[in-house]
Amino acid sequence: EPEVTQTPSHQVTQMGQEVILRCVPISNHLYFYWYRQILGQKVEFLVSFYNNEISEKSEIFDDQFSVERPDGSNFTLKIRSTKLEDSAMYFCASRIHTGELFFGEGSRLTVL
Amino acid sequence: DQQVKQNSPSLSVQEGRISILNCDYTNSMFDYFLWYKKYPAEGPTFLISISSIKDKNEDGRFTVFLNKSAKHLSLHIVPSQPGDSAVYFCAAGYNAGNMLTFGGGTRLMVKP
Repeated sequence: EPEVTQTPSHQVTQMGQEVILRCVPISNHLYFYWYRQILGQKVEFLVSFYNNEISEKSEIFDDQFSVERPDGSNFTLKIRSTKLEDSAMYFCASRIHTGELFFGEGSRLTVL
Repeated sequence: DQQVKQNSPSLSVQEGRISILNCDYTNSMFDYFLWYKKYPAEGPTFLISISSIKDKNEDGRFTVFLNKSAKHLSLHIVPSQPGDSAVYFCAAGYNAGNMLTFGGGTRLMVKP
């Protein structure tokens, strides 16, 4: 069964460092998303991406964040200068057009 | 922002009985609702969905009910099994390809 894959599964970084989280969405999907879940809190929308551009973003997704689809398969989330409060599970998701989102297993980011 | 709310943080049910998980929403623009199941350290897994043109959707042991006038949906699991123990999130969205807004989750514990 096709699935969304994410790397790394866990990343530990120092505050102020840049982090790139990688995702390979399901191959025939057209819409791509990043969500995050801070420990004990709800799953929060960060950004959606369609047709090689951001279609929607939340208030969390400030100019420290960026997304890119550098080739036909990868979808990356970059945090330029990490803060302690960026520590969370980051989930990539994709969908074909309408219907349910398929989520990856998540990348845990720990900022020290 | 509490557009989607799950008022019960946890629910404990005996194996074989019915589990009923509830979700309320405030945004009348939402026209598509989903339930996701999440185990620790994993991404959310899609369970079942319903569009606003329906009031019930059933898939095996899982049934979702939608009451648009009350802006309320519920997930029924019958019969409940110990493997159903997880955190359940309801999510809502509108317009194809748009983001989903998640509730805070309900931890379901099914006791053998």
